[in-house]
Amino acid sequence: GGIITQTPKFLIGQEGQKLTLKCQQNFNHDTMYWYRQDSGKGLRLIYYSITENDLQKGDLSEGYDASREKKSSFSLTVTSAQKNEMAVFLCASSIEDSTQYFGPGTRLLVL
Amino acid sequence: GEKVEQHESTLSVREGDSAVINCTYTDTASSYFPWYKQEAGKSLHFVIDIRSNVDRKQSQRLTVLLDKKAKRFSLHITATQPEDSAIYFCAHNTNTGKLTFGDGTVLTVKP
Repeated sequence: GGIITQTPKFLIGQEGQKLTLKCQQNFNHDTMYWYRQDSGKGLRLIYYSITENDLQKGDLSEGYDASREKKSSFSLTVTSAQKNEMAVFLCASSIEDSTQYFGPGTRLLVL
Repeated sequence: GEKVEQHESTLSVREGDSAVINCTYTDTASSYFPWYKQEAGKSLHFVIDIRSNVDRKQSQRLTVLLDKKAKRFSLHITATQPEDSAIYFCAHNTNTGKLTFGDGTVLTVKP
């Protein structure tokens, strides 16, 4: 088995602030993903990475940057937080297009 | 882009009854259809999947049916229990290998 950890668990930011979320996995999976989940909605893909130093844009990449520093870690940066923004950011990993395993999430609130 | 429509936004059943959640998709190239469960305040947890080379897959009380002609797939839960109460998300892969998620079905199992 393995585990995905996300830090921080809660993130409160100010409008216009740059915010970074981190994800680590010990499954030894090649592919990692960042999703955004808004209340009452499904998941929307922000970025994904199929190997170290690779980055692929998802449907919601505008306003975000990502970095795959090594196989086990994938970071997401909100480049300029929007006032009243509230969402959960979920990190996942998988072997190619197989089952995705999700982390516990980072809850973002922008004041 | 590719879409998946999850037909039931909420579903309420009595303990012991069956629950069925239906999804339809538009991308004829889709070949992988996973289902995820999200309990209150928690992340997504994989429950079952089906690939396009079969039209039925069962795992204990869960069965997934796939109708490729109608571009429809469904999750059937038999002998429901209160711990089945959660949000269930259907998803399917796109031609780039990414997953597209439905908006979720809130299942409530009443004792």
